[in-house]
Amino acid sequence: QVQLVQSGAEVKKPGASVKVSCKASGYTFTSYDINWVRQASGQGLEWMGWMNPNSGNTGYAQKFQGRVTMTRNTSISTAYMELSRLRSEDTAVYYCVYYYYAMDVWGQGTTVTVSS
Amino acid sequence: QSALTQPRSVSGSPGQSVTISCTGTSSDVGGYNYVSWYQQHPGKAPKLMIYDVNKRPSGVPDRFSGSKSGNTASLTISGLQAEDEADYYCCSYAGSYLYVFGTGTKVTVL
Repeated sequence: QVQLVQSGAEVKKPGASVKVSCKASGYTFTSYDINWVRQASGQGLEWMGWMNPNSGNTGYAQKFQGRVTMTRNTSISTAYMELSRLRSEDTAVYYCVYYYYAMDVWGQGTTVTVSS
Repeated sequence: QSALTQPRSVSGSPGQSVTISCTGTSSDVGGYNYVSWYQQHPGKAPKLMIYDVNKRPSGVPDRFSGSKSGNTASLTISGLQAEDEADYYCCSYAGSYLYVFGTGTKVTVL
């Protein structure tokens, strides 16, 4: 079955960058888009963007344009989300999501804490 | 891209029905039949419950149904059960390969 396994929790200082990985299994990695969604503690879901693992094409929410980069390594079926110039408001759980009918299968989430 | 508007909370007794609204604009909810709904229990990742306005993925009980009228989509839970107590989020395609989530609704089973 489709499974997404994300990298572990990160603690970063303001101004730094973080790169979260998402290893896919159970399907052909290049056949379905990967989306990224984040959720601050006690807050709602926030869509960040998508990536087509086959072409590498991406689309980002306006809020994150210029700060987020989504990439992939097809040889190891892994997607990456890098967020730069971190600030305290970026403290959240970050999810990668397999898109089939909609956001069908979610990774377990990666907690990113931004603190000085 | 503004978040879609959902009521902060709804509640119902076991066996009753509850409906959650999700209001957007003609650029998102009203413009496309790509509204999906997600259930999230505390500390867990969200789970897809409805896609394409009213379709249920395999394994989702038929107590969950979706609809749309104009710029507002709705999720109805019939025969409310204790395990339905969770947060629910709508999501809509907003054109140009962009998506937007709703503000979220807490469902309480009394």
